[in-house]
Amino acid sequence: AQTVTQSQPEMSVQEAETVTLSCTYDTSESDYYLFWYKQPPSRQMILVIRQEAYKQQNATENRFSVNFQKAAKSFSLKISDSQLGDAAMYFCAYRSAMLSGNEKLTFGTGTRLTIIP
Amino acid sequence: SAVISQKPSRDICQRGTSLTIQCQVDSQVTMMFWYRQQPGQSLTLIATANQGSEATYESGFVIDKFPISRPNLTFSTLTVSNMSPEDSSIYLCSAGGVWGIKNEKLFFGSGTQLSVL
Repeated sequence: AQTVTQSQPEMSVQEAETVTLSCTYDTSESDYYLFWYKQPPSRQMILVIRQEAYKQQNATENRFSVNFQKAAKSFSLKISDSQLGDAAMYFCAYRSAMLSGNEKLTFGTGTRLTIIP
Repeated sequence: SAVISQKPSRDICQRGTSLTIQCQVDSQVTMMFWYRQQPGQSLTLIATANQGSEATYESGFVIDKFPISRPNLTFSTLTVSNMSPEDSSIYLCSAGGVWGIKNEKLFFGSGTQLSVL
């Protein structure tokens, strides 16, 4: 079974600075997806960024980028130019790429990010 | 992307009663999932809602407690039966997937905040 670990329960960053959230995972599969989801107080789970394991290039979405180290099974999220609206719980998630018809997401325990004005 | 409507958004229920949560997707999807998020915790998968057949439950969750229906490719319900205070959680519906295509994201409804007295 796959597991996802987020070792930072809480992080804080000054507005406009850069912060990195850590995530490690364990799997025996070679083809999979990794995600970062953001959950603000509204409860809505918002997809921030996605990485396909077979791609060596790190995914980027505007101010959000990842550092994907497949051999180390590490998938960190970097948020540049932090904004007040970035304050939320951030969850790292794993999903198999196998077409088994049961492509569920496995989540880490989350990191609560606080932005300091 | 898929837009997921989930209702009710919140409810307060008495011990021993049941609540049915509805999840409506604005397009046909192959996969629908139900997650539970206990206070301050991560998301735990309850079951995969299979269209036209019985749901697939994760370890620790049973059909008698969490019956699930999925009559078509856009709609699913989750019932929380014979509720106790331990069932107080956020319940989230997730959906996505076009059959045969690996590269698909999963989207979430806004969740149902359930409090059991």
